[in-house]
Amino acid sequence: QKEVEQDPGPLSVPEGAIVSLNCTYSNSAFQYFMWYRQYSRKGPELLMYTYSSGNKEDGRFTAQVDKSSKYISLFIRDSQPSDSATYLCAMTTSGGSYIPTFGRGTSLIVHP
Amino acid sequence: KAGVTQTPRYLIKTRGQQVTLSCSPISGHRSVSWYQQTPGQGLQFLFEYFSETQRNKGNFPGRFSGRQFSNSRSEMNVSTLELGDSALYLCATSGAALNTGELFFGEGSRLTVL
Repeated sequence: QKEVEQDPGPLSVPEGAIVSLNCTYSNSAFQYFMWYRQYSRKGPELLMYTYSSGNKEDGRFTAQVDKSSKYISLFIRDSQPSDSATYLCAMTTSGGSYIPTFGRGTSLIVHP
Repeated sequence: KAGVTQTPRYLIKTRGQQVTLSCSPISGHRSVSWYQQTPGQGLQFLFEYFSETQRNKGNFPGRFSGRQFSNSRSEMNVSTLELGDSALYLCATSGAALNTGELFFGEGSRLTVL
């Protein structure tokens, strides 16, 4: 079992839909949780960053962390074709190595 | 502020050759990490350099090596290329004082091995 599990998709939704992207993890020491967005032929870019449990909202994006279930989510409201990309979750512990553990990424397609 | 710059963007090599990839970090960023990205395996960590020292290393064979210079620029080298080395190689830099995992990625160097 990989340390971080993420469904690769693709997830195809119509424009305007609410999108839910998820990751599960096994290491209870993870404290920092991130979502990166990667457009085709580009490098990943940091989208959302959350410390420990709870919700964080930024415009149409909401990141949610449930440490008791070892489950994190990214919600996209009013999805747009420009949101079509691969979304990677990543997480790190609060000490030790500075290297985040990445999920494999979920490919999202928002069609007009 | 200039982003992370990787060169070359695309390259084609044949089996047995070697390749060197370059990464210039964001000004002030001292940590440089390298990742290999393939459709089957996702993002896999190669190694991380900080102040010219390799601080962390992933689970890759010794054919993969890297170094960091005093200006924080980094290079990675792959020797005796194999077909399976075809991938997008991403450089990521960080200036974060804490271990938050916030990384800034370059656009990558896409290597094709024939």
